[in-house]
Amino acid sequence: EIVLTQSPGTLSLSPGERATLSCRASQSVSSSYLAWYQQKPGQAPRLLIYGASSRAAGIADRFSGSGSGTDFTLTISRLEPEDFAVYYCQQYGSSRWTFGQGTKVEIK
Amino acid sequence: QVQLVQSGAEVKKPGASVKVSCKASGYSFTSYDINWVRQATGQGLEWMGWMNPNSGNTGYAQKFQGRVIMTRNTSISTAYMELSSLRSEDTAVYYCARGKAWFHPWGQGTLVTVSS
Repeated sequence: EIVLTQSPGTLSLSPGERATLSCRASQSVSSSYLAWYQQKPGQAPRLLIYGASSRAAGIADRFSGSGSGTDFTLTISRLEPEDFAVYYCQQYGSSRWTFGQGTKVEIK
Repeated sequence: QVQLVQSGAEVKKPGASVKVSCKASGYSFTSYDINWVRQATGQGLEWMGWMNPNSGNTGYAQKFQGRVIMTRNTSISTAYMELSSLRSEDTAVYYCARGKAWFHPWGQGTLVTVSS
C-alpha cells in the first residue's frame, strides 16, 4: 500500500500570504492519479486538484498543484479568509486509494 | 446538478450492523464508480471500498474485508454500504463519493454512532 505523508501538519499563515503544502508518497505515484481536497469543519471534502495539476471546475486559480513521482505540492498563491481549512492529498493505484493525514491551514 | 444525498444519522449497539444509502441525481448512475470513505471525529479520511454500479463489482480495503458489503439499486440510482459487527471504533461520519481516480462530488455524510 502506498503511504502518503503530508507536511507540515499545521501551517499558520495570515490572509494574503502564500501557502505551500507537501505530499510525499512512499513509492512512485502516477501523476494522473494524485488529487487534492479541501475540507472545512462540518463539511464534506471538496475536490480542488486532480491529475496532480488540473483544477476542478469552479476552483479559484490561486490554487495550483504540481509534482511528480513521489513529491507533490499544493500551492495557494494568496490566502483568502475562506481558504483556512484542512487539505488532503489522495492517490489511486491498483484499485486502492489512500489519503494523506492532512495539513491544517490556520489563521496566524 | 450532480448530487449525492445520503441517509440520516444512525445510532447502533456494538455487534449490530448499519446500512447507509447514497442516492445519486443529475447524472447517469451506472456510468461512475461509487466509493465510500469514513472519518472519525477529528481524524483523517479513510477509504473503505468501491463499487461499479453498472456491473455491481466491488473492491474493499483489506481492513474492512469480511465486514463491509457495497450494493446498489439501479432502478432508484442508489448505492448502499453495509457494515457489520460494529464496534465503538466504527463511530464516524461515512461519505459516499463519485469517481474512479478522484472523487467528485461527495455526499453530505452520515454520522454513525456505535454505543451501548
